[in-house]
Amino acid sequence: DAGVTQSPTHLIKTRGQQVTLRCSPKSGHDTVSWYQQALGQGPQFIFQYYEEEERQRGNFPDRFSGHQFPNYSSELNVNALLLGDSALYLCASSLWGAREKLFFGSGTQLSVL
Amino acid sequence: GNSVTQMEGPVTLSEEAFLTINCTYTATGYPSLFWYVQYPGEGLQLLLKATKADDKGSNKGFEATYRKETTSFHLEKGSVQVSDSAVYFCALRNGDDKIIFGKGTRLHILP
Repeated sequence: DAGVTQSPTHLIKTRGQQVTLRCSPKSGHDTVSWYQQALGQGPQFIFQYYEEEERQRGNFPDRFSGHQFPNYSSELNVNALLLGDSALYLCASSLWGAREKLFFGSGTQLSVL
Repeated sequence: GNSVTQMEGPVTLSEEAFLTINCTYTATGYPSLFWYVQYPGEGLQLLLKATKADDKGSNKGFEATYRKETTSFHLEKGSVQVSDSAVYFCALRNGDDKIIFGKGTRLHILP
């Protein structure tokens, strides 16, 4: 049983570019959340998707957007990249009815130069 | 607002030593409290949790007790192993699905 898978593992972009990160939830899960983990910090909640809709959002600007597909996979898009967007981006999946039981992927390491 | 403060690392111990990682929180109401662990190259994993005051969460020899009077949730283990080397995050969830994490404590166990 595959866990949460994220792609790519690493990514390098330059300021002003746009990036798309991808996440496949654990088999059977229908809810996906995204977190940003800066170096030396704990993860910070970006947003959560269920039934292809954004359900909750943290304190992130509109440059951060997402999407959930009918197969429950999800994308995180970041426009107009800033140096400060460099971080590990974590995807976590769960069942909507058991949202406290989160399973995390290993993350995508984004470097903005 | 809601926040979590945990002791800064790195913490270095010898195998079989006693471990305590301190964690305090600020929150209104009655949050759920968690400890997550991040092993090298792996995703975050839930280690243990407690959902109300005086509850004790436990797993893999680790324990933490929800102390409302001191707003604390300290992680303890009686005898650590080299395989416990990882980064440990204290976290809370309060009324919605956002999990608020502390900054993490890196633990090194020497053989």
